[in-house]
Amino acid sequence: GQQLNQSPQSMFIQEGEDVSMNCTSSSIFNTWLWYKQEPGEGPVLLIALYKAGELTSNGRLTAQFGITRKDSFLNISASIPSDVGIYFCAGPNRGSEKLVFGKGTKLTVNP
Amino acid sequence: DAGITQSPRHKVTETGTPVTLRCHQTENHRYMYWYRQDPGHGLRLIHYSYGVKDTDKGEVSDGYSVSRSKTEDFLLTLESATSSQTSVYFCAISTRQGLYGYTFGSGTRLTVV
Repeated sequence: GQQLNQSPQSMFIQEGEDVSMNCTSSSIFNTWLWYKQEPGEGPVLLIALYKAGELTSNGRLTAQFGITRKDSFLNISASIPSDVGIYFCAGPNRGSEKLVFGKGTKLTVNP
Repeated sequence: DAGITQSPRHKVTETGTPVTLRCHQTENHRYMYWYRQDPGHGLRLIHYSYGVKDTDKGEVSDGYSVSRSKTEDFLLTLESATSSQTSVYFCAISTRQGLYGYTFGSGTRLTVV
């Protein structure tokens, strides 16, 4: 089945730094979703992308739908301690439309 | 006021006992899902439902059963809990499968001793 590969698996950064993470697949996705999961909570949808090449922002977060439809990127500018969490990419399986999830990028921000 | 709630939030149970986790939604969404989350494995789909009394298996369904007798409730049952089922369980809901994403509950942390 379709799989999503996220990198890096974890990141340790200083407050104020910019963050970049990505999600790739060997197959095409027509929708890319980015979620954030804070400790002790369920994932929360941050950004949804529906068109190849699309660039969408949500505050300090910016996500891009790769032109090949096989990847997506999430950037966080000027990180703050509350950015800590696990960031997941996801996309609907082409056959079933159920979401496929990456394994996540765990972000730690040192004050 | 959360549109999706899970109960209990935490549970410790003994090996071999049956356990039922509840997911309740107030959004009237058609689709509901149960996931488990374990380190190194991410989110894995256990079972899902596409309507009342319509359910199907996910990728890790062995040892689990589900029921959906009302739109708003989706129950996950561990028939005879094992230590390998120690995990964090998440319920999710959606209107049109994955197209607009899922809304997740806050999770149930289950420990089987």
